[in-house]
Amino acid sequence: GENVEQHPSTLSVQEGDSAVIKCTYSDSASNYFPWYKQELGKRPQLIIDIRSNVGEKKDQRIAVTLNKTAKHFSLHITETQPEDSAVYFCAASSGGSYIPTFGRGTSLIVHP
Amino acid sequence: SAVISQKPSRDICQRGTSLTIQCQVDSQVTMMFWYRQQPGQSLTLIATANQGSEATYESGFVIDKFPISRPNLTFSTLTVSNMSPEDSSIYLCSVAGPGTGNSNYGYTFGSGTRLTVV
Repeated sequence: GENVEQHPSTLSVQEGDSAVIKCTYSDSASNYFPWYKQELGKRPQLIIDIRSNVGEKKDQRIAVTLNKTAKHFSLHITETQPEDSAVYFCAASSGGSYIPTFGRGTSLIVHP
Repeated sequence: SAVISQKPSRDICQRGTSLTIQCQVDSQVTMMFWYRQQPGQSLTLIATANQGSEATYESGFVIDKFPISRPNLTFSTLTVSNMSPEDSSIYLCSVAGPGTGNSNYGYTFGSGTRLTVV
């Protein structure tokens, strides 16, 4: 089955800096890669996703890049703000159901 | 996107007892998913619930411990049976789609049930 590795487990940045979270996956058949943000005590929420036929996708301050050859994908957050502080999960899935396998999460702390 | 109502939001239970968690979706969905999230950990899929058929359980999870019902296309329950302190966790239900904005696909989660077994 799919195995998703996520790094770092904790990331601390100053407000205004950029943050990068990296994930690798094992199943070359995976073709859908969502990212979820989970604020403390709240449910995970999808923030951005990418399919395998696209190398990069941006949505305002967040972007995701995908390298299918190397089987890794990354989340980039620019101009970080304290409200970006949360746990971020990457995931990978394949097939028609798109059931995701999640990484272990990255706790992002943005210091004002 | 779908709106999921999950209850209870939290509970403290005695070991050996059972707790049933309910999820109600505001639209009809083919598949519903149940996840477990242990403190500070990732999301682990327990099972996939389809209406009209038995749930499909992931490795490490069995029907006797986590019986699931799916009586219609908008509702599902997960029961945590014969609980022990190791079952203390957050349990979340989830449905597929839609994605955000111009995204392709995605999952929507319920608000979660924080279970503490004493």
